[in-house]
Amino acid sequence: EVQLLESGGGLVQPGGSLRLSCAASGFSFSSYGMSWVRQAPGKGLEWVSAISGRGTSVTGGTTKYADSVKGRFTISRDNSKNTLYLQMNSLRVEDTALYYCARRGSSSWYGEFDHWGQGTLVTVSS
Amino acid sequence: DIVLTQSPGTLSLSPGERGTLSCRASQSVGNYLAWYQQKPGQAPRLLIYDASSRATGIPDRFSGSGSGTDFTLTISTLEPEDFALYYCQQYGSSLTFGGGTKVEIK
Repeated sequence: EVQLLESGGGLVQPGGSLRLSCAASGFSFSSYGMSWVRQAPGKGLEWVSAISGRGTSVTGGTTKYADSVKGRFTISRDNSKNTLYLQMNSLRVEDTALYYCARRGSSSWYGEFDHWGQGTLVTVSS
Repeated sequence: DIVLTQSPGTLSLSPGERGTLSCRASQSVGNYLAWYQQKPGQAPRLLIYDASSRATGIPDRFSGSGSGTDFTLTISTLEPEDFALYYCQQYGSSLTFGGGTKVEIK
């Protein structure tokens, strides 16, 4: 059974940093593209960042970012630990949201998400 | 960025009725469109990908159609568990989600 378990959320002041983690199990993690998708309280879904699986790059995952987080957030993965990360710097109040880890249906970074975690809440407030 | 506009914002129907949800893209996305269902306190669930392919385990009362800029999710006969939020997502150019349609009990 595919399982995705996010952690690392919490309360942080504007300008601060957090690192989110997503522990994956039940599938060959390195073979799949992964993304972070967020949902502000009472709002819709917003794609944040993606990384491809091993199959599409000799050097590692291709990474992509939404314009709203480019230059502030960094996505990475440790295939030996079956874990996805999101390093979030220079956090803003508008980054407050539930952050979901989501699996792609293949190794590419773009496409539909066939499995989702339950999310970890990030609150940016002074 | 491609903008997805979902309509209506809220759809009020009774169990047993047919539900038709629309998703319009600001430019063509080919058939690179997915639909998700989200219930309160839960993560989204993939229903449809590539505009018309049902995801694993999704009942056949859910169907997707369309290509280019206009897409439709149809729920042929609404069951009580189908009252939820529905989002479309395009992956023809980067990744974006629509604003959602709430299907509520009339």
